[in-house]
Amino acid sequence: GQSLEQPSEVTAVEGAIVQINCTYQTSGFYGLSWYQQHDGGAPTFLSYNALDGLEETGRFSSFLSRSDSYGYLLLQELQMKDSASYFCAVRGDDKIIFGKGTRLHILP
Amino acid sequence: GAVVSQHPSRVICKSGTSVKIECRSLDFQATTMFWYRQFPKQSLMLMATSNEGSKATYEQGVEKDKFLINHASLTLSTLTVTSAHPEDSSFYICSASGQGNEQFFGPGTRLTVL
Repeated sequence: GQSLEQPSEVTAVEGAIVQINCTYQTSGFYGLSWYQQHDGGAPTFLSYNALDGLEETGRFSSFLSRSDSYGYLLLQELQMKDSASYFCAVRGDDKIIFGKGTRLHILP
Repeated sequence: GAVVSQHPSRVICKSGTSVKIECRSLDFQATTMFWYRQFPKQSLMLMATSNEGSKATYEQGVEKDKFLINHASLTLSTLTVTSAHPEDSSFYICSASGQGNEQFFGPGTRLTVL
């Protein structure tokens, strides 16, 4: 079957760095995406990795290892506004599958 | 980034009525549009994928006769929830993609069926 696993919750301190992991099992693989969703809002795109390695976009970075079926989202210099849910999503042969989301709590 | 709009943002209807939700890509041509449903504190569940000018592909377990999808142009897709019931109350989100791999999400429509 196809599945994505990511932690349900992560807590970090403002200004710190946090890593959200995602492991996947899919039929075919065309890329791993990350989305941010604040309560009551729609998801917004953060990053996309099709090849192994690290992609950096400002305070956010995303990493992919296709051989390990693993990726992570790295958030640096955490701000209170980063409190949200973060979803990894994988594009497989047939469709895009979303993980269940990681709720990020940020402490002042 | 590209902009996707949804209308209405919120709708309350009586059980048995039908509700139409529009999804528009405002500044790009969306070759593919996706419809998702999200229950509180849960992930997005893909309902169907639609390509302009062809029939939508529904995910397993999604009733195509209940959730009618029309993708008549490269900028507009509609989802009609027919004979809505309280269990259909949810957050419905569309997304659109053009030539690239990124999906652009609409702001969502919160449906409440009384």
